[in-house]
Amino acid sequence: DTGVSQDPRHKITKRGQNVTFRCDPISEHNRLYWYRQTLGQGPEFLTYFQNEAQLEKSRLLSDRFSAERPKGSFSTLEIQRTEQGDSAMYLCASSRRGGLAGVAGANVLTFGAGSRLTVL
Amino acid sequence: QKEVEQDPGPLSVPEGAIVSLNCTYSNSAFQYFMWYRQYSRKGPELLMYTYSSGNKEDGRFTAQVDKSSKYISLFIRDSQPSDSATYLCAMVSGGSNYKLTFGKGTLLTVNP
Repeated sequence: DTGVSQDPRHKITKRGQNVTFRCDPISEHNRLYWYRQTLGQGPEFLTYFQNEAQLEKSRLLSDRFSAERPKGSFSTLEIQRTEQGDSAMYLCASSRRGGLAGVAGANVLTFGAGSRLTVL
Repeated sequence: QKEVEQDPGPLSVPEGAIVSLNCTYSNSAFQYFMWYRQYSRKGPELLMYTYSSGNKEDGRFTAQVDKSSKYISLFIRDSQPSDSATYLCAMVSGGSNYKLTFGKGTLLTVNP
């Protein structure tokens, strides 16, 4: 399987606990993204990496959230002191820099199946 | 006002019907327009992308962009029960091509 892999698929935790999600992107993709999707909404951008560098963080990413991509391959998203409002699907995606050949500027993302977080 | 507006539906049609899904947007910087399909409890998968105003066809799917009206559409011909999913429009500007802005998604059910 050469798609984007996410683990775990579903995590149930109690408020105040820490959780960590892992994403393995498509191997030849050097960009990696995290999005959050709540029920009935479209995905919202959280952050992205170009290789190991975290280049952009959304205002949605509070101090309790931290993302890493230490060797430019897999990435982790950690949420500390979880709150009920953190309950959502956390989606990882990857892409090649610059997107599709012949369409300068396009950036087509391939998404994983997501990690669903339920905070009780 | 959100940058991208999409009627969440739900939309229910009989098999074989033509389906029309739409989004409007307010940010003139958006240059690339995409449609993603998302099945229940799965991640979004790319259906089509377009750059310029006009139509783009791929099998039973046609994407239409009208930049002057800031309006995009996805048409599905001869709809099938397997098309039942949530359809998300997404847009990106050339200057910030790392960040997709999505609509809420439209839940489509095609009844056999």
